[in-house]
Amino acid sequence: QKEVEQDPGPLSVPEGAIVSLNCTYSNSAFQYFMWYRQYSRKGPELLMYTYSSGNKEDGRFTAQVDKSSKYISLFIRDSQPSDSATYLCASSTGANSKLTFGKGITLSVRP
Amino acid sequence: NAGVTQTPKFQVLKTGQSMTLQCAQDMNHNSMYWYRQDPGMGLRLIYYSASEGTTDKGEVPNGYNVSRLNKREFSLRLESAAPSQTSVYFCASSVPSGRETQYFGPGTRLLVL
Repeated sequence: QKEVEQDPGPLSVPEGAIVSLNCTYSNSAFQYFMWYRQYSRKGPELLMYTYSSGNKEDGRFTAQVDKSSKYISLFIRDSQPSDSATYLCASSTGANSKLTFGKGITLSVRP
Repeated sequence: NAGVTQTPKFQVLKTGQSMTLQCAQDMNHNSMYWYRQDPGMGLRLIYYSASEGTTDKGEVPNGYNVSRLNKREFSLRLESAAPSQTSVYFCASSVPSGRETQYFGPGTRLLVL
């Protein structure tokens, strides 16, 4: 079992929909949680970063971490065609330089 | 400020050929990483360098070597390319602060025939 598991997708939604992307993790030592967005033929870019449980909001994006259930979520409100990309969750213990990534889920937002 | 740059952008090799992928960052980051990304496999760490002068194996190091040339540059070498090494390769860098947020380059698409 990989340390970070992500719903495989792909996912297709109409413009304006609320999108929920989810990951689970197995390593209790993970303390830092990130979401990266990757457009086609580009490198991943950091979208959201959270530490500890709770919600973090940035515009239309909300990252949620539930450490008790080892669950990581990203919510996108009022989704736009420009949100069409691959989304990767990642976690770190903070004890070294390494991130553990989920496999990524490809989201398509239909106009 | 270019961030993380990678060369070449695309390369075709024949089985058994060698090549070096170059990566440079201008953000004064200490740590640098090489990943490969394959369909259905996500990002897998090949090697990383926590600081200048140190390198460590990641999840999939076989068939690769790395050199941390200086603080800015981290190269990945394929000594004898195999079709299984066909992939997209990403370099990343970070300031190790506990947050471990990494900044990625644009990638190198490698095809081994």
